[in-house]
Amino acid sequence: DQQVKQNSPSLSVQEGRISILNCDYTNSMFDYFLWYKKYPAEGPTFLISISSIKDKNEDGRFTVFLNKSAKHLSLHIVPSQPGDSAVYFCAAITGGGADGLTFGKGTHLIIQP
Amino acid sequence: NAGVTQTPKFQVLKTGQSMTLQCAQDMNHEYMSWYRQDPGMGLRLIHYSVGAGITDQGEVPNGYNVSRSTTEDFPLRLLSAAPSQTSVYFCASSYAGQLLSGANVLTFGAGSRLTVL
Repeated sequence: DQQVKQNSPSLSVQEGRISILNCDYTNSMFDYFLWYKKYPAEGPTFLISISSIKDKNEDGRFTVFLNKSAKHLSLHIVPSQPGDSAVYFCAAITGGGADGLTFGKGTHLIIQP
Repeated sequence: NAGVTQTPKFQVLKTGQSMTLQCAQDMNHEYMSWYRQDPGMGLRLIHYSVGAGITDQGEVPNGYNVSRSTTEDFPLRLLSAAPSQTSVYFCASSYAGQLLSGANVLTFGAGSRLTVL
């Protein structure tokens, strides 16, 4: 049973527009949610996170929104740039996270010129 | 500052062979872990360690062995390789303080692509 779901395998957005990546989860015990970005032949890199006690976290062009009642979070990228083309993974953890992050399958974001 | 270094980057094995994927970090991170990434599956945790001498199983530990004799190194051993272990393997680490805070922000290596024939 997949606890973290990214239902869009790919997303194409025009440069300069807003990119919205979505993530749903089923485990209400998750404490933190994180987004990682991955380029081909590289490891994932941390992008932004949000605690379950917040509903929004912003870092430059990146904003993550959390809707606990809907068990849904989204990553907004404004404005989208060509370098944003990558695979984005949503991840979640419970407690201290020693037993690891639970990852979604990823969404491949393609920014078109 | 090299971060997390994984070797080899690529490896081809025959079924039944054994090998070790190496992982080293120079950030003095207490926490280290191994994930595998398969097409359409996201990343899944294999084994993790919260410090030297301490290891534990993750979601998919079968067929793999780990040890943590130093803070810096966390090798992953495939005891008898099977085609189902064809995957991209990622080592990741973080500070123990991040574990305690709840937000375990991992630093990943570049990955090791393993093919088992």
